[in-house]
Amino acid sequence: DAGVIQSPRHEVTEMGQEVTLRCKPISGHNSLFWYRQTMMRGLELLIYFNNNVPIDDSGMPEDRFSAKMPNASFSTLKIQPSEPRDSAVYFCASRPGPAGYTFGSGTRLTVV
Amino acid sequence: EDKVVQSPLSLVVHEGDTVTLNCSYEVTNFRSLLWYKQEKKAPTFLFMLTSSGIEKKSGRLSSILDKKELFSILNITATQTGDSAIYLCAPYLISNFGNEKLTFGTGTRLTIIP
Repeated sequence: DAGVIQSPRHEVTEMGQEVTLRCKPISGHNSLFWYRQTMMRGLELLIYFNNNVPIDDSGMPEDRFSAKMPNASFSTLKIQPSEPRDSAVYFCASRPGPAGYTFGSGTRLTVV
Repeated sequence: EDKVVQSPLSLVVHEGDTVTLNCSYEVTNFRSLLWYKQEKKAPTFLFMLTSSGIEKKSGRLSSILDKKELFSILNITATQTGDSAIYLCAPYLISNFGNEKLTFGTGTRLTIIP
């Protein structure tokens, strides 16, 4: 089991550019979560999918953020246009049932 | 608004010491509470607590939940340098609509000095 796989590991981009973060959940896990971690706010839930359907996107900070899950093995989180305040570590997590979240290694995003 | 407070924010102790990390919460639709350990990368799962007063143990780590007073503690005995990490507590919530959420505290940064 390769675990939850995120790419890229690090991303440095200029303000105004589009950023796409990718996640491959563990096979068989039917729920996928995107979190953002900063020093000030800790880990915050952005959005989660159940069986590829977005269930709760109330944590998405604004319209510049969007997430998709076109199939059970792939999800993207897109920021367009990016801003310096988006700099954070973005984690993807998946789980098979009511508990037991498994996190990916995260993408460290720096917007300059 | 859901609130999770962990204390202390930071703790530095010597190897061999025992530490107690605290987590208090004020949330709606509580189902259980999870503890995670975060070293350099992803948080890794430690415990899930659903019932009050039942201690969960894993080696030198143990945890207990008090659903009446809305808090949980994580104890680590005979600490080792490998215990240095950020420890996160996260109430697991399910709304009446079935929406679920794992709401994290900002964590306790534990540093063990050899």
